[in-house]
Amino acid sequence: AQTVTQSQPEMSVQEAETVTLSCTYDTSENNYYLFWYKQPPSRQMILVIRQEAYKQQNATENRFSVNFQKAAKSFSLKISDSQLGDTAMYFCALPLGTSYGKLTFGQGTILTVHP
Amino acid sequence: DTGVSQDPRHKITKRGQNVTFRCDPISEHNRLYWYRQTLGQGPEFLTYFQNEAQLEKSRLLSDRFSAERPKGSFSTLEIQRTEQGDSAMYLCASSSFSGTSGSSYNEQFFGPGTRLTVL
Repeated sequence: AQTVTQSQPEMSVQEAETVTLSCTYDTSENNYYLFWYKQPPSRQMILVIRQEAYKQQNATENRFSVNFQKAAKSFSLKISDSQLGDTAMYFCALPLGTSYGKLTFGQGTILTVHP
Repeated sequence: DTGVSQDPRHKITKRGQNVTFRCDPISEHNRLYWYRQTLGQGPEFLTYFQNEAQLEKSRLLSDRFSAERPKGSFSTLEIQRTEQGDSAMYLCASSSFSGTSGSSYNEQFFGPGTRLTVL
């Protein structure tokens, strides 16, 4: 069975600073994807960044980057130059297989960016 | 707006009543997923369709729950004899799938959800 664990229920950061959200997972797959989703208050969930397990290079999307440690099954999200609009619930997610698509989500981390 | 839409956005019902939710996916997407999200938790998979075929149902989907996607476009999720434990946000997502094993993962796009409150 797949599991995704986020051990930080809440985090806060000052505007313009950097924050890192943690995620660990377990899967028997060898080739898989990992995702970070953002769910702003009362708004729909959107994909922030994805990582393909067979790629050693960590994914980067503008101010968002990941630290993917395959052997440790760790997948953290770093947000640089935090903005007020980054305030949201963040979920780490793992799909079953590479084409199946069913997502297993972590418990989420509430991130608050303070001015 | 060409995103995933869900209706209604909010539903308040009394225990024992039946409710039905609708999801309209992105038009070219052949896969449609239903998830349930309780307060402060991550979404949990309920079921998914590829075109009109329901290919998997989670153990979370008791006999009181039924989902359909009759023409491979919109989908409905019905809950019969609602219980207070059914109170949650019900999320719909859609994606395209080419059928090629190992092909690039196709992103799931989520709707805004239907928040159900059972009194």
